[in-house]
Amino acid sequence: KAGVTQTPRYLIKTRGQQVTLSCSPISGHRSVSWYQQTPGQGLQFLFEYFSETQRNKGNFPGRFSGRQFSNSRSEMNVSTLELGDSALYLCASSPPVRTEAFFGQGTRLTVV
Amino acid sequence: AQSVTQLGSHVSVSEGALVLLRCNYSSSVPPYLFWYVQYPNQGLQLLLKYTSAATLVKGINGFEAEFKKSETSFHLTKPSAHMSDAAEYFCAVWVEDSGYALNFGKGTSLLVTP
Repeated sequence: KAGVTQTPRYLIKTRGQQVTLSCSPISGHRSVSWYQQTPGQGLQFLFEYFSETQRNKGNFPGRFSGRQFSNSRSEMNVSTLELGDSALYLCASSPPVRTEAFFGQGTRLTVV
Repeated sequence: AQSVTQLGSHVSVSEGALVLLRCNYSSSVPPYLFWYVQYPNQGLQLLLKYTSAATLVKGINGFEAEFKKSETSFHLTKPSAHMSDAAEYFCAVWVEDSGYALNFGKGTSLLVTP
């Protein structure tokens, strides 16, 4: 069974640009959540989608948004990038019974 | 809201020695608790989970953790450290809310010396 797939693995963007990250969950998982990991703040929850609906949201500005498609694949978008958005962005998918979350390899975003 | 605290941002052990990584939780309801491991430039790999079935939980790579309600703890142990265990370890708890969200500890970096 394929794991959680995130693309791309690495990205370099310029301040002010926008970026879109993609996540394909494990087959059969309808919940996809996103996390930001930085050395200073650690792992922080961004948002979670279930059946194309945002079900939960962390404490991040509106520049961070996401969506989920009917095949459960998810994208997150960050607009007007700031240097502080440089981070490892992790996607996780969860089975219907809330027992665990499986993470992808992450997308390393560098804003210059 | 549910939260976890990891004691010690860095732990160093000798190869073959006992590994003990500490995690305390804060929750008003029985929590779901997890330990994840992260190797450099990798995502998070689930080591083990506690979902109220058994207090002693065995995970992958020889790790185990014991849920102690009286101490609000969920410490991770391994009897004999291996060089390959060197990594960052995170304790996490499900946030009881609508949807699925994990609250993570700050992480503990494990160094294994020969």
